[in-house]
Amino acid sequence: SQQGEEDPQALSIQEGENATMNCSYKTSINNLQWYRQNSGRGLVHLILIRSNERENHSGRLRVTLDTSKKSSSLLITASRAADTASYFCATGRFANNDMRFGAGTRLTVKP
Amino acid sequence: EAGVAQSPRYKIIEKRQSVAFWCNPISGHATLYWYQQILGQGPKLLIQFQNNGVVDDSQLPKDRFSAERLKGVDSTLKIQPAKLEDSAVYLCASSSDPGANVLTFGAGSRLTVL
Repeated sequence: SQQGEEDPQALSIQEGENATMNCSYKTSINNLQWYRQNSGRGLVHLILIRSNERENHSGRLRVTLDTSKKSSSLLITASRAADTASYFCATGRFANNDMRFGAGTRLTVKP
Repeated sequence: EAGVAQSPRYKIIEKRQSVAFWCNPISGHATLYWYQQILGQGPKLLIQFQNNGVVDDSQLPKDRFSAERLKGVDSTLKIQPAKLEDSAVYLCASSSDPGANVLTFGAGSRLTVL
């Protein structure tokens, strides 16, 4: 079964606005990662947060993790049309660090 | 550094036929994953290898799917016989760090079963 579930399923914003996507998961994890997938392409790693961290940043990306609520959020600031893509969270469990993905959030950034 | 190589990029077969996909991970990456991504869904983990040993194959439909990584480098995923619901993109990913497991994905192999 999939480990994470993203919310919302789809998000449409104007260029320059911020986009927030959420991920909930079920079991204890070692780390949580976010990936981007442009239409018809492979997935690209964006950012990682470990289970003992609460927040991490990379450029315009900010990820938070709340292990008590088993949830994470990805914030993309000052969005661009090029950010239009599907975004997936993936969780790795302590036992074997298998990486399991959610169903994704489809982000559309309108110019 | 060369990326994760997959072939073929596209394959069309009829149901009950067999098909094989090949993946060559980034050099030195010990961990290799196969995922199945059905249109509109997230990637589903099929099997995870650490070197040439299987770490997790709990979601692999073993009655029709098989995978091997004989020398701990490249890997083959086979489907026999194929069903209509196997139509999907098969993604291969590799990782060098078992602690964090940041994945590098290949472009995928798109399978259409008629």
